[in-house]
Amino acid sequence: NAGVTQTPKFRILKIGQSMTLQCTQDMNHNYMYWYRQDPGMGLKLIYYSVGAGITDKGEVPNGYNVSRSTTEDFPLRLELAAPSQTSVYFCASSYWGPKGTGELFFGEGSRLTVL
Amino acid sequence: TQLLEQSPQFLSIQEGENLTVYCNSSSVFSSLQWYRQEPGEGPVLLVTVVTGGEVKKLKRLTFQFGDARKDSSLHITAAQPGDTGLYLCATYQGAQKLVFGQGTRLTINP
Repeated sequence: NAGVTQTPKFRILKIGQSMTLQCTQDMNHNYMYWYRQDPGMGLKLIYYSVGAGITDKGEVPNGYNVSRSTTEDFPLRLELAAPSQTSVYFCASSYWGPKGTGELFFGEGSRLTVL
Repeated sequence: TQLLEQSPQFLSIQEGENLTVYCNSSSVFSSLQWYRQEPGEGPVLLVTVVTGGEVKKLKRLTFQFGDARKDSSLHITAAQPGDTGLYLCATYQGAQKLVFGQGTRLTINP
């Protein structure tokens, strides 16, 4: 099982550039999340989705956009990259339903540096 | 304002010692999750506690949920180098958003 797959694993951007972090899951989970983790810190929620076509802001949404056109995919777009967006980004998914536990399954992370 | 406050932020102890880390809030939790994150990887769920006063054990790890469901603790007995990592507590806000504390970075020295 692939689980949650994120690409790319590493990326260096120049200030003002844009890019998309890809996330796909093969567990048929309905919920998906994007977090960022700054060095030595916990995770901050950027955006989340409770199903295809439904997204909502988390704690730190500014400078990011998301879409959820399918159950499997939840890309995160960075517009006009800034040094403050240098971080490690984690995508996660979970299943909420009659037998759901609310456990999040995480990808391996995407390390982004903005110079 | 951080919903979840974890303490200590950093802890470095010798192999074989016992330790306790804490997760506190001024709000009542519906449930609380504990995750462990190793370097270069995503967090992995250790346990979920739901009922006030609940105690769960996972080998040498003991998790306790406060009676008022505003705090939780993780106790490790006879710590081993393999316990090294970032320990994160998390709770759901509004049944959909999982938010995390800032974590306790634990180092176990051989």
